[in-house]
Amino acid sequence: NAGVMQNPRHLVRRRGQEARLRCSPMKGHSHVYWYRQLPEEGLKFMVYLQKENIIDESGMPKERFSAEFPKEGPSILRIQQVVRGDSAAYFCASSKSSGSGETQYFGPGTRLLVL
Amino acid sequence: AQKITQTQPGMFVQEKEAVTLDCTYDTSDPSYGLFWYKQPSSGEMIFLIYQGSYDQQNATEGRYSLNFQKARKSANLVISASQLGDSAMYFCAMRELGFSGGYNKLIFGAGTRLAVHP
Repeated sequence: NAGVMQNPRHLVRRRGQEARLRCSPMKGHSHVYWYRQLPEEGLKFMVYLQKENIIDESGMPKERFSAEFPKEGPSILRIQQVVRGDSAAYFCASSKSSGSGETQYFGPGTRLLVL
Repeated sequence: AQKITQTQPGMFVQEKEAVTLDCTYDTSDPSYGLFWYKQPSSGEMIFLIYQGSYDQQNATEGRYSLNFQKARKSANLVISASQLGDSAMYFCAMRELGFSGGYNKLIFGAGTRLAVHP
């Protein structure tokens, strides 16, 4: 039973380019969350999606960042015109539901480096 | 606002001994969930243990147990019989009520780096 899949595991971009991060949730999970981890810090919530819907994007920067979770295919976190400050690890997590006791299972993360 | 505090940036423990990693939280929500995750040097986030605010007993999962003191708002992780493979960052997290009315986002503490010495 495959866990949460993320690709690529490592991504290098030059300033001004676009970064596209993909996440496939665990089988049977329809709730997807994206988090960002800066070096030596804890994870910070960015966005919560269900199939075809953004439920909560309160942690996502208003500009350059967008997320989607289409009916078919993985969830995508897109960062346009990347800057050095976007360098971080981006984690995707999934859960079966949104209950208070529902565990979120994390993918291996995508390490983004902006040169 | 809800908040998680981990006051120990780093901890050392001798192999086979027990260690306690501290976590305090702040919330006005009567219903919440508390989680611990392990992040080894390889970078992935591994779920360890969960405690619900209404659970009567402290959670246990193998060598991991959670010392839940609701009145003190603390949820410390206890690792018994430490192993070299336990060396990692450990994050405490709380499930926060989201805008949609459901519990979705996790808020994380800054983490504690545990080093297990032979």
